[in-house]
Amino acid sequence: QVTLRESGPALVKPTQTLTLTCTFSGFSLSTSGMCVTWIRQSPGKALEWLALIDWDDDKYYSTSLKTRLTISKDTSKNQVVLTMTNVDPEDTATYYCARMLATTGAFDYWGQGTLVTVSS
Amino acid sequence: SSQLTQDPAVSVALGQTVRITCQGDSLRTYSASWYQQKPGQAPVLVIYDTDRRPSGIPDRFSGSRSRNTASLTITGAQAGDEADYYCHSRDISNDRIFGGGTKLTVL
Repeated sequence: QVTLRESGPALVKPTQTLTLTCTFSGFSLSTSGMCVTWIRQSPGKALEWLALIDWDDDKYYSTSLKTRLTISKDTSKNQVVLTMTNVDPEDTATYYCARMLATTGAFDYWGQGTLVTVSS
Repeated sequence: SSQLTQDPAVSVALGQTVRITCQGDSLRTYSASWYQQKPGQAPVLVIYDTDRRPSGIPDRFSGSRSRNTASLTITGAQAGDEADYYCHSRDISNDRIFGGGTKLTVL
């Protein structure tokens, strides 16, 4: 059974760095074809893709946010970490992690999401 | 990067058929997937590889593509299908892109 769970601070101040952790089970990120991605959704808005890391440690970032994002994995802990620097109130959103199979390119399992509010 | 365009809202009478569309140049090259999101819940994958259905998704959900437009069709819409639907694909620079979402109302 595949599960993913996001964790991180609920409140962050502007200009600070946000660190989110995705802890997953039911698959290994060292298995060929496995990927984990981060997606966010501002209140009342559409989904926005942020970053992706694959089994081979290749990393991909949203063109519009890549200067602020870093994604990494700890295969032994079954975790993927996303850091976002210099946060702004516009970064207030629910942040989801999801699994993607390279063969389909689709996000087949999602965490429940974690709401992050950026406010002073 | 490329964009995917969806109608903001669509309605369908209970038991009827509805088509939700997603338009974008990247769809000429890359496959589409579709996600259903109900209020307060995480999205759920309902179609991948343009026209394939994950296990557990009812067969009233189907997908197709013509040129630069992907479509999600719900045949015999039920009250429980009322949700936001998002299309997703990728572009040539490896960005993963979502459409703006379509709010489906079942009347």
